[in-house]
Amino acid sequence: AQKITQTQPGMFVQEKEAVTLDCTYDTSDQSYGLFWYKQPSSGEMIFLIYQGSYDEQNATEGRYSLNFQKARKSANLVISASQLGDSAMYFCAMRELIYNQGGKLIFGQGTELSVKP
Amino acid sequence: DTGVSQNPRHKITKRGQNVTFRCDPISEHNRLYWYRQTLGQGPEFLTYFQNEAQLEKSRLLSDRFSAERPKGSFSTLEIQRTEQGDSAMYLCATRVGDEQFFGPGTRLTVL
Repeated sequence: AQKITQTQPGMFVQEKEAVTLDCTYDTSDQSYGLFWYKQPSSGEMIFLIYQGSYDEQNATEGRYSLNFQKARKSANLVISASQLGDSAMYFCAMRELIYNQGGKLIFGQGTELSVKP
Repeated sequence: DTGVSQNPRHKITKRGQNVTFRCDPISEHNRLYWYRQTLGQGPEFLTYFQNEAQLEKSRLLSDRFSAERPKGSFSTLEIQRTEQGDSAMYLCATRVGDEQFFGPGTRLTVL
């Protein structure tokens, strides 16, 4: 069964430091995509980064990078040089590509990140 | 701004009333999704449209829920005889390539 697990309900980080948000997943599909979204208190879901299961290199988008370890089924998000505006909920999500032709996303329960000045 | 708009942004209703939400995606995006997010949880998939065809429905979508996408453009999600457990954020998303873009959501409160 497909599942996303985020084991950190809350995280604190000092401004300008790096932080890693954990995500593990479970799927029987050989082809899948992994996503991270940011949800500020205003509620909108903001797409951050995407990693395909066959991508050989870890995805990066500005200060965001995805540490993809396929054998361990983990897809951790690394935020470098944290800013106060990074304080938000962060969701890891997965889309199976073979058994899920529609492309729906399965989300984890989220991690609340607080950046301290 | 993802270009996906949802209306209304907030809806307060009394238990037993019917409510309808609207999602306006970017016109060329033919795949549209509805999700529900309760407090403290991640979004959960409700239903999926490709153009005007509703191709997948979650078991979460009870008989009281119905969704439409006439002409493959905007979509509506209707909840009949609302219950307090329906209180949640209802999110609409469209897909381009690998990415899904979410609208701002409609927050429903059932009193």
